[in-house]
Amino acid sequence: EIVLTQSPGTLSLSPGEGATLSCRASQSVSSRRLAWYQQKPGQAPRLLIYAASSRATGIPDRFSGSGSGTDFTLTISRLEPEDFAVYYCQQYGSSPWTFGQGTKVDIK
Amino acid sequence: EVQLVESGGGLVQPGGSLRLSCAASGFTFSSSSMNWVRQAPGKGLEWVSYISSSSVTIYFADSVKGRFTISRDNAKNSLWLHMKSLRDEDTAVYFCARDGGYSGYDYGSFDYWGPGTPVTVSS
Repeated sequence: EIVLTQSPGTLSLSPGEGATLSCRASQSVSSRRLAWYQQKPGQAPRLLIYAASSRATGIPDRFSGSGSGTDFTLTISRLEPEDFAVYYCQQYGSSPWTFGQGTKVDIK
Repeated sequence: EVQLVESGGGLVQPGGSLRLSCAASGFTFSSSSMNWVRQAPGKGLEWVSYISSSSVTIYFADSVKGRFTISRDNAKNSLWLHMKSLRDEDTAVYFCARDGGYSGYDYGSFDYWGPGTPVTVSS
């Protein structure tokens, strides 16, 4: 099973600042099959990024993904008030599909 | 508009059984693979089970293998998760989620999620 480790656990930032979230895999993720999700309290997760760097429909271009192999990054260029949430990475390159433990982006 | 609505959650004693349902609308359900994903209170996400569009391919997480079954009825646009021998650690909100392959994304990503139904296993 591929274990995904996200860092940092919490990121305290102000609106307008940039955010860099890391997701490291215990073994190589096949064909960059990695997604990022955003989850707000009491809501279901929302798909932001798939295939490591492709934005899902309707996702603002301030969200970008990069990486390959074992190291992946989600970058939010300028935080908007609605971006404060928990972010999860997920690999679907090998079964079982697994998620990271999440990074919380909160308001400083 | 794509909608996924789960139901059937509730309080059940350890060792008990429960059947969760997911009603789908707004897309061609019979063309989409589906998943169940759960989230324990205050914790992260855990993929639970996958079923292909025709029910030919089914997968389970090791943590539920042998205790949970997944099924669907394409004529009724419905997905189910049958859970038995429930344990305290099965306490979670259970989400049904559509496979992203339907939208042209990667198979294995999840592009639409229901709001979830809570399951509490406790005596």
